[in-house]
Amino acid sequence: AIQMTQSPSSLSASVGDRVTITCRASQGIRKDLGWYQQKPGKAPKLLIYAASTLQSGVPSRFSGSGSGTDFTLTITSLQPEDFATYYCLQDYDYPFTFGPGTKVDIK
Amino acid sequence: QVLVQESGPGLVKPSQTLFLTCSVSGGSISSGTYSWNWVRQPAGKGLEWIGRVYTSGSLNYNPSLKSRVTISLDTSNNQLSLKLSSLTAADTAVYFCARGKDDENYYYYMDVWGKGTTVTVSS
Repeated sequence: AIQMTQSPSSLSASVGDRVTITCRASQGIRKDLGWYQQKPGKAPKLLIYAASTLQSGVPSRFSGSGSGTDFTLTITSLQPEDFATYYCLQDYDYPFTFGPGTKVDIK
Repeated sequence: QVLVQESGPGLVKPSQTLFLTCSVSGGSISSGTYSWNWVRQPAGKGLEWIGRVYTSGSLNYNPSLKSRVTISLDTSNNQLSLKLSSLTAADTAVYFCARGKDDENYYYYMDVWGKGTTVTVSS
């Protein structure tokens, strides 16, 4: 199975900060990667798919980039509602695998 | 607007079989080129993909669970189901169903998720 790693595992940031989360795949996955946001007690929410395509309705402060093995999720100007855990998901090969998550909390 | 909602027994004994359903409203479970996924999450831990079924009937399972899991569509009731046998405490988790879709470039995403149903495996 393709292993996904994320860094950092957690970070503290302030409202208005620029935040970057990295996801790395154990082998090349083209651009078959999505980013999901999850708040406590809630279901994951799709933010980005195909590494860089913003899901309809998601604010433009979220962006994704990368291909192959290295990917990033960037949040420009962090908002109060963005404090959550972020997961990457590869759907290049079976089984689909999630990264371990990056928790973004308030500094 | 398509909504999905999971339901299940809540508490199941070890070695028993779990049956979960995911009810779809606001659209037909068999329309379009959608697929339907199950994902689970133990308390305080990360997400694990269990498997998916396409409306065509095509199935994909996580090999770590493949010998114990069955996913199926009940189109007459607009439901997705999950059967997981030989349960252990390690199967205790919140179980989510999620709609998947391939875009025009065949990139995949899961865009509609249920709120999840909690399953506890305990005697």
